[in-house]
Amino acid sequence: DTEVTQTPKHLVMGMTNKKSLKCEQHMGHRAMYWYKQKAKKPPELMFVYSYEKLSINESVPSRFSPECPNSSLLNLHLHALQPEDSALYLCASSQDPLSFYGYTFGSGTRLTVV
Amino acid sequence: AQTVTQSQPEMSVQEAETVTLSCTYDTSESDYYLFWYKQPPSRQMILVIRQEAYKQQNATENRFSVNFQKAAKSFSLKISDSQLGDAAMYFCAYRYLTDRGSTLGRLYFGRGTQLTVWP
Repeated sequence: DTEVTQTPKHLVMGMTNKKSLKCEQHMGHRAMYWYKQKAKKPPELMFVYSYEKLSINESVPSRFSPECPNSSLLNLHLHALQPEDSALYLCASSQDPLSFYGYTFGSGTRLTVV
Repeated sequence: AQTVTQSQPEMSVQEAETVTLSCTYDTSESDYYLFWYKQPPSRQMILVIRQEAYKQQNATENRFSVNFQKAAKSFSLKISDSQLGDAAMYFCAYRYLTDRGSTLGRLYFGRGTQLTVWP
């Protein structure tokens, strides 16, 4: 299995809702990442997990809450989002945080906040 | 923070022709990694090619090759025999070889070049 699987592919949520994004990989990778991407812009780093520990939080608002229950799974819990949080959320993994082999990306979750 | 610059917001190429996408970067490191990623309309980011800075030889993957000029901090991507499926946004990215504090695992992306392929 050489994929990073993200669910759901599309999500529409109201500003008072609570939802979660899920990311899963079975490649034995020990680093996982959340990125946010606006249309026609590069991805912006949100969080880095290295060996299941949060190693980078890019000053992301607390309405985004990451969780890494095990080495294969990464969640992003969403609560009280704003319309400007609408974006493509990309999950990625790599063998380790310093791997030459770069990232394997998932296909993303398109989030719309209404 | 590292700066990666892609000076061509858009490029176009005729099918079967060759196109070169430019990328420059700013770093004080002697060793690092460089990548080109492709993002088609399907939105999944796909690794095209990677380069280790301490290797002088330019990386090649089938129709994709790079021109890595370390002294000039330049890392251009050449696509030969362009195909319709090459149409996508292309991102150049930089990665530290070692942890510099808040750099662990991070990819620094350029702003991207949108490539159109004409039949």
